[in-house]
Amino acid sequence: DGGITQSPKYLFRKEGQNVTLSCEQNLNHDAMYWYRQDPGQGLRLIYYSQIVNDFQKGDIAEGYSVSREKNESFPHTVTSAQKNPTAFYLCASSAGGGARQPQHFGDGTRLSIL
Amino acid sequence: SQQGEEDPQALSIQEGENATMNCSYKTSINNLQWYRQNSGRGLVHLILIRSNEREKHSGRLRVTLDTSKKSSSLLITASRAADTASYFCATDAVNSGYSTLTFGKGTMLLVSP
Repeated sequence: DGGITQSPKYLFRKEGQNVTLSCEQNLNHDAMYWYRQDPGQGLRLIYYSQIVNDFQKGDIAEGYSVSREKNESFPHTVTSAQKNPTAFYLCASSAGGGARQPQHFGDGTRLSIL
Repeated sequence: SQQGEEDPQALSIQEGENATMNCSYKTSINNLQWYRQNSGRGLVHLILIRSNEREKHSGRLRVTLDTSKKSSSLLITASRAADTASYFCATDAVNSGYSTLTFGKGTMLLVSP
């Protein structure tokens, strides 16, 4: 089945450590996105990528980094510079670019900083 | 950036009743999308409605768009307990030459058996 896989589902890290979240899609979509969701809130865009080797900052990129070396993969690192990293992180993809297509989401990674 | 705002924040109904959720946004859009999120899961796309459309249907879902009022509504007819979820509207926005989606905070729907 085609879809988006995020791993791990739960992640615990100590303060000051960087942590990398995985996102893989087999939908052959060009565009991929990372969002952050806090309790009772909507999604806020962290980074997005329209094509391989290209990515753009979203609304809350500070303290985060991404790479896009392969079309199917869009890993995302929460660095120690992120002041409040505990959140639910969602990865999505869409066919083509822009917001004119539906986005397909993974089931998220819940990150907790100890 | 543009942002959709859903209303109400929470809605509790009985099975079989209809549920209506509203979304308002601030500036002109190309399209508006509705998504559903079950607790602890990712979002699932429901319907995309373009700015030149006024109404779309998908099964028990009906979405309307009024661009003059900058608002949209999502109607779920004959609701079921399985419809319990959070529902988000998302509008497109322009960011550094790319178009991205901006999500509202959602309406939490509880359907009781």
